[in-house]
Amino acid sequence: DGGITQSPKYLFRKEGQNVTLSCEQNLNHDAMYWYRQDPGQGLRLIYYSQIVNDFQKGDIAEGYSVSREKKESFPLTVTSAQKNPTAFYLCASRLLHSSYNEQFFGPGTRLTVL
Amino acid sequence: SQQGEEDPQALSIQEGENATMNCSYKTSINNLQWYRQNSGRGLVHLILIRSNEREKHSGRLRVTLDTSKKSSSLLITASRAADTASYFCGAGNMLTFGGGTRLMVKP
Repeated sequence: DGGITQSPKYLFRKEGQNVTLSCEQNLNHDAMYWYRQDPGQGLRLIYYSQIVNDFQKGDIAEGYSVSREKKESFPLTVTSAQKNPTAFYLCASRLLHSSYNEQFFGPGTRLTVL
Repeated sequence: SQQGEEDPQALSIQEGENATMNCSYKTSINNLQWYRQNSGRGLVHLILIRSNEREKHSGRLRVTLDTSKKSSSLLITASRAADTASYFCGAGNMLTFGGGTRLMVKP
């Protein structure tokens, strides 16, 4: 099946720990995105990448880091510098240079800081 | 950044009624998209409308776009309880999203 997957579905972290959220897609999409969603709120862009080994900060990049070593994978690390990391994290991907720039979303990871 | 902002924030209707939600954005765009999110899930793409289109239909969905007013509307006709979800618009290539409209359809 083609699609975009995120793991784990639920993640618990102690304060001061770094954690990494996984995002994988087998859609051969060029671009990948990470969003944060707080309860009852919209999506805010954390980081995005349009090509392997390159990525750009979104609106709320502080306290987060990413890598794009492979086209299929775009892991997000939530560092201890992120003051309030408890949230729902969504990964998305899309095909660039297409007449349809629909984003495909993963099922999300819910991160809770204990 | 280009931003979609949805209005109203929340909407409650009876099954069978129509639901209309609106989206405003700030800068010129080449397309606008509507997405649906069930609670605790990822977003699912519903429909895309290009800047040179004024109206588009897909099943029970009707989307309009007014580029002069930088606004769009999503109409869901003959709503069903299963339409209960949050609806977001995404404007432009970077798809900046607003807070969404939370739709509740009562059976």
